[in-house]
Amino acid sequence: KAGVTQTPRYLIKTRGQQVTLSCSPISGHRSVSWYQQTPGQGLQFLFEYFSETQRNKGNFPGRFSGRQFSNSRSEMNVSTLELGDSALYLCASSLGGLANYGYTFGSGTRLTVV
Amino acid sequence: GDSVTQMEGPVTLSEEAFLTINCTYTATGYPSLFWYVQYPGEGLQLLLKATKADDKGSNKGFEATYRKETTSFHLEKGSVQVSDSAVYFCALWTTGGGNKLTFGTGTQLKVEL
Repeated sequence: KAGVTQTPRYLIKTRGQQVTLSCSPISGHRSVSWYQQTPGQGLQFLFEYFSETQRNKGNFPGRFSGRQFSNSRSEMNVSTLELGDSALYLCASSLGGLANYGYTFGSGTRLTVV
Repeated sequence: GDSVTQMEGPVTLSEEAFLTINCTYTATGYPSLFWYVQYPGEGLQLLLKATKADDKGSNKGFEATYRKETTSFHLEKGSVQVSDSAVYFCALWTTGGGNKLTFGTGTQLKVEL
């Protein structure tokens, strides 16, 4: 079966712009989570969506937002980009978002802010 | 809050050497524990997991035992290969943790011929 698909794989944006990243979960998975990975901060949780509702949010500023559609595909948006937003953004899908179901990660979107 | 502490890397080993990567955790409640692996340019792959105390997770020759008394989940492999070179992340999930994984900082493993 198809895995978690993230698009685009690479992105270069200018400071002050906004960006939208996309994640298509495994078919049948209803939970989508987003993580930011940087060399300095490691892997940090951004937010989780389940059946179009945000269930949990990490400690990130309001410039980071997301949504989930009825087909479980999710997007995350970052407005007013800062240099520090340069990171690998990873999406993970799960049947129900509980540990026993397991999380499957996509290959990520590498965002570079210049 | 929940946290995971991993040994600093990089860890450099010769092929066929024994591997141990230490992982300890702090959590409220009863966490599930995971090891993920990340190869260059890729996302995270689940390597193994354990959901309760004394459980042993295993996969591809890697093993880790959930030790509640020492709050540890050390990763071991008896004989590493060059293809095992990657970054390894220890992570936990708790029922009160809001449906998210808390990761350690990662340990880079380099295996040489």
